[in-house]
Amino acid sequence: DSGVTQTPKHLITATGQRVTLRCSPRSGDLSVYWYQQSLDQGLQFLIQYYNGEERAKGNILERFSAQQFPDLHSELNLSSLELGDSALYFCASSVALAGQGITGELFFGEGSRLTVL
Amino acid sequence: DAKTTQPTSMDCAEGRAANLPCNHSTISGNEYVYWYRQIHSQGPQYIIHGLKNNETNEMASLIITEDRKSSTLILPHATLRDTAVYYCIVRSSIYNQGGKLIFGQGTELSVKP
Repeated sequence: DSGVTQTPKHLITATGQRVTLRCSPRSGDLSVYWYQQSLDQGLQFLIQYYNGEERAKGNILERFSAQQFPDLHSELNLSSLELGDSALYFCASSVALAGQGITGELFFGEGSRLTVL
Repeated sequence: DAKTTQPTSMDCAEGRAANLPCNHSTISGNEYVYWYRQIHSQGPQYIIHGLKNNETNEMASLIITEDRKSSTLILPHATLRDTAVYYCIVRSSIYNQGGKLIFGQGTELSVKP
């Protein structure tokens, strides 16, 4: 158990719909990262938040958005869903930014499996 | 972040050492080498990391060449539960780089009885 909690574990929805994935980081972790893993793309970095502020952006579509709340939990919003958005979405957390004397390990949750029909 | 090159797949006999190579010839001085693994559709799991010196923990050993252009992850006594995809990642330690991990395709390790 990594200490990172993701909900829901499984989600089935239709094209055009909108869903929200939730992530609770490990206690004390300030950074939250979102990744997408589909069969043909591998693990793709989407976005990172640090203490409520966006820190780094990867291959995140404009239809997707995220935020980190004052209690440090994060939500990933996926809208106008397409078949190709079907994937595993992972959240990870770490204590702080790399370079601050911390090992910088990322701890990953078990993922939310999204199926778009 | 520097790019890494790993073999697509490897086999290892149960109980033997598994040696997983990684090439990172463009690594810069402030970049660490990290290893993670992912057991079938589970969240990736941290294994070990290093900068210049060889490192060992309860899971594995990491051997980094003197020029830092390549490294080897060693699982000393592989078990069936070590069957997974192993990712070698080079990651910046600079504050403003954010600390994100960029995953490549990894090596699919199959441990066989």
